[in-house]
Amino acid sequence: EPEVTQTPSHQVTQMGQEVILRCVPISNHLYFYWYRQILGQKVEFLVSFYNNEISEKSEIFDDQFSVERPDGSNFTLKIRSTKLEDSAMYFCASRPWTETDTQYFGPGTRLTVL
Amino acid sequence: KQEVTQIPAALSVPEGENLVLNCSFTDSAIYNLQWFRQDPGKGLTSLLLIQSSQREQTSGRLNASLDKSSGRSTLYIAASQPGDSATYLCAVKGQNFVFGPGTRLSVLP
Repeated sequence: EPEVTQTPSHQVTQMGQEVILRCVPISNHLYFYWYRQILGQKVEFLVSFYNNEISEKSEIFDDQFSVERPDGSNFTLKIRSTKLEDSAMYFCASRPWTETDTQYFGPGTRLTVL
Repeated sequence: KQEVTQIPAALSVPEGENLVLNCSFTDSAIYNLQWFRQDPGKGLTSLLLIQSSQREQTSGRLNASLDKSSGRSTLYIAASQPGDSATYLCAVKGQNFVFGPGTRLSVLP
């Protein structure tokens, strides 16, 4: 069964460094998402992406964040200058073309900012 | 601003029991509501999605209902099994996606 994959599974970085988290959505899906979950807290929506542009974003998704679909398969989340509070689990999700369809989540990337 | 709450925060039941998890949301202007399970250290697995025009959805031993006007959804799990042990999250899609804090379920053999 097709699944969403994410790399790396765990990323450790120093405060102020740039990180890129990578996701490979399910191949025929058209909508892509990033979420984060700080340890012990709720899952939070960051951004949705469709037709090569951001369709929705939350207040969390400020100028430090960007997303890109550099080729036909990858979907990336970049954090330009990481802060301690960016430490979290980051989940990528994708879904097919209709609004009624469910989202399929990847296993997540644990980001630790030191 | 949409707020989603879930009751109870944690639940422990013996195997075989039927149980109900509750989700409440403050803004009834939603497109859909989705229930997920999350296993420790893992991603989310979608269980059921209910459109705003629907009242319930069923999948196997799971049944989810939606009462949009009162801002409530319930997830009913029949004949619980130890493999059902996980955290169950509800999420509503309105202007954005908003998740609840989850209910941590333990089913004891």
